[in-house]
Amino acid sequence: QKEVEQNSGPLSVPEGAIASLNCTYSDRGSQSFFWYRQYSGKSPELIMFIYSNGDKEDGRFTAQLNKASQYVSLLIRDSQPSDSATYLCAARGGGTSYGKLTFGQGTILTVHP
Amino acid sequence: NAGVTQTPKFRILKIGQSMTLQCTQDMNHNYMYWYRQDPGMGLKLIYYSVGAGITDKGEVPNGYNVSRSTTEDFPLRLELAAPSQTSVYFCASSPPGAYQETQYFGPGTRLLVL
Repeated sequence: QKEVEQNSGPLSVPEGAIASLNCTYSDRGSQSFFWYRQYSGKSPELIMFIYSNGDKEDGRFTAQLNKASQYVSLLIRDSQPSDSATYLCAARGGGTSYGKLTFGQGTILTVHP
Repeated sequence: NAGVTQTPKFRILKIGQSMTLQCTQDMNHNYMYWYRQDPGMGLKLIYYSVGAGITDKGEVPNGYNVSRSTTEDFPLRLELAAPSQTSVYFCASSPPGAYQETQYFGPGTRLLVL
């Protein structure tokens, strides 16, 4: 069973702080990884994806991937109350998987003023 | 360009009833997916399709059926609804080629089976 596990929440950080969200995956064949944000009652929206080991930055968001440790993380700098949402980590397996994703259970983030 | 649309937004079913959840995308995407999301959980893949006439099972296909007669539409059929199918259902699509992994989600259908 291919699994994606996220750090248990909820996570609460003050406004302006760095929020760190973590994810591990069991399938060593997984090739690409995604972070989605989901506001309450809404559909998931893609924040970032990462394929290669190391860091990938996009504005206030940085995704980190360590394939040897099977670990993915998302850092949110200068957290804002509008970042309060559930964050979903997802992994795509190798080969011809037609974009099929395995999702983690999500981590609820609350940014308080 | 409406993206991915789903109908209905909300539905209550009695045990044993059947219904079809509709999903349409106007982005000419080849790949389409159906997920369910139970409270406090991530998304589980029910079925997916790589093009018109081609469908395959995901993680949790039991109790559901799909068809894909056109590129735009990917309906999900629930036969003999059970309380365990109470969930939020999301349809998604992704383009072919290098960007196939970027999935665009519809607004969801909330289903309650009583």
